[in-house]
Amino acid sequence: EAGVAQSPRYKIIEKRQSVAFWCNPISGHATLYWYQQILGQGPKLLIQFQNNGVVDDSQLPKDRFSAERLKGVDSTLKIQPAKLEDSAVYLCASSLEESGRARDEQYFGPGTRLTVT
Amino acid sequence: QQQVKQSPQSLIVQKGGISIINCAYENTAFDYFPWYQQFPGKGPALLIAIRPDVSEKKEGRFTISFNKSAKQFSLHIMDSQPGDSATYFCAAISSFGNEKLTFGTGTRLTIIP
Repeated sequence: EAGVAQSPRYKIIEKRQSVAFWCNPISGHATLYWYQQILGQGPKLLIQFQNNGVVDDSQLPKDRFSAERLKGVDSTLKIQPAKLEDSAVYLCASSLEESGRARDEQYFGPGTRLTVT
Repeated sequence: QQQVKQSPQSLIVQKGGISIINCAYENTAFDYFPWYQQFPGKGPALLIAIRPDVSEKKEGRFTISFNKSAKQFSLHIMDSQPGDSATYFCAAISSFGNEKLTFGTGTRLTIIP
């Protein structure tokens, strides 16, 4: 079974530029998550989708971050404009259950490491 | 606000020894406690999880001990192997409100021969 795919794996941009990350979850997984993992910290949930609807985006900085999940499959996360403090690894995860409960096992992708200079 | 505190930040253990990572939480609404293992360049992967109605759960060389009254839980890795070298995160979930994984800050474990 193929895992969660993310691209690009690495990205370096200057502050105030925009960037987009792509995630392809495991086939058939209803729930998709985006996490931000700052160096030396645990992942922090940014947004959760159930199929193509948003379940939780309470920790998403909506003035600069946006995300969408088209047709309930792939998802993109965008940052515009980027700030220095956005330097982090952005992880995508998916889970099978349509319940969207966080305790349903989440399968994480390898992440995109973003460096903002 | 750090709701799950994890220690130590880093840990070096000799091969064959016992690795112990500790976590403490404040939110009494937490009712599910998973541990994740993360290798460099990879995303976290679920290792083992426990509910607060049991005091211990064992899977192979990995054991979670849970102390509900102290609001603490720990991961023990018996007979630690070099392949166990990774970063370990404890986490917690509450059934109340919108469930989300709250992660600890992580422990970088290195097993030396």
